[in-house]
Amino acid sequence: TQLLEQSPQFLSIQEGENLTVYCNSSSVFSSLQWYRQEPGEGPVLLVTVVTGGEVKKLKRLTFQFGDARKDSSLHITAAQPGDTGLYLCAGARGAQKLVFGQGTRLTINP
Amino acid sequence: DAMVIQNPRYQVTQFGKPVTLSCSQTLNHNVMYWYQQKSSQAPKLLFHYYDKDFNNEADTPDNFQSRRPNTSFCFLDIRSPGLGDAAMYLCATSRTRLGDEQFFGPGTRLTVL
Repeated sequence: TQLLEQSPQFLSIQEGENLTVYCNSSSVFSSLQWYRQEPGEGPVLLVTVVTGGEVKKLKRLTFQFGDARKDSSLHITAAQPGDTGLYLCAGARGAQKLVFGQGTRLTINP
Repeated sequence: DAMVIQNPRYQVTQFGKPVTLSCSQTLNHNVMYWYQQKSSQAPKLLFHYYDKDFNNEADTPDNFQSRRPNTSFCFLDIRSPGLGDAAMYLCATSRTRLGDEQFFGPGTRLTVL
């Protein structure tokens, strides 16, 4: 079973703080995708990391893929209320279906 | 803009009354998916179409069926909805294969009375 464990499952912080969300597995993935889902909407792809050790930045969001391609992290700097949502990581192994983590529910309080 | 469209956005049905949810895409993607998502949980894959080939997940109840009459459209039929089927239903597409990045529709929120 290819499980992706996300932590924390719930996180509530104040605007302006920094945070990190983790996505861990004992399995190797060819890529990791991160999605954000706002309330009442479908998930939207934020980024895909492919190479072990890869770091990608999307404005205040920094995504990292572990060297062994088993884990990934999402770091948000100076969080804003607009960052509120459900963050999902999803692992891909070639042509197999995506494996989703259980999600991190993030709330940024003004 | 190319996109994934779901109709209706909100659907209310009665216990046991069949309901059909629809999804269309303008992305010309080969793979289409239906997911069920309950509050703040990860989406749960029900089935997918790889072109015209239908693939059912092992734990998807028989109550759920799907049709894909052409590349652009896909339907989810719930034959006899129970209270436990109340959820958000998400349609998604990916370009050529299962591991590709997925593009989700906005979802249909199903309420069962």
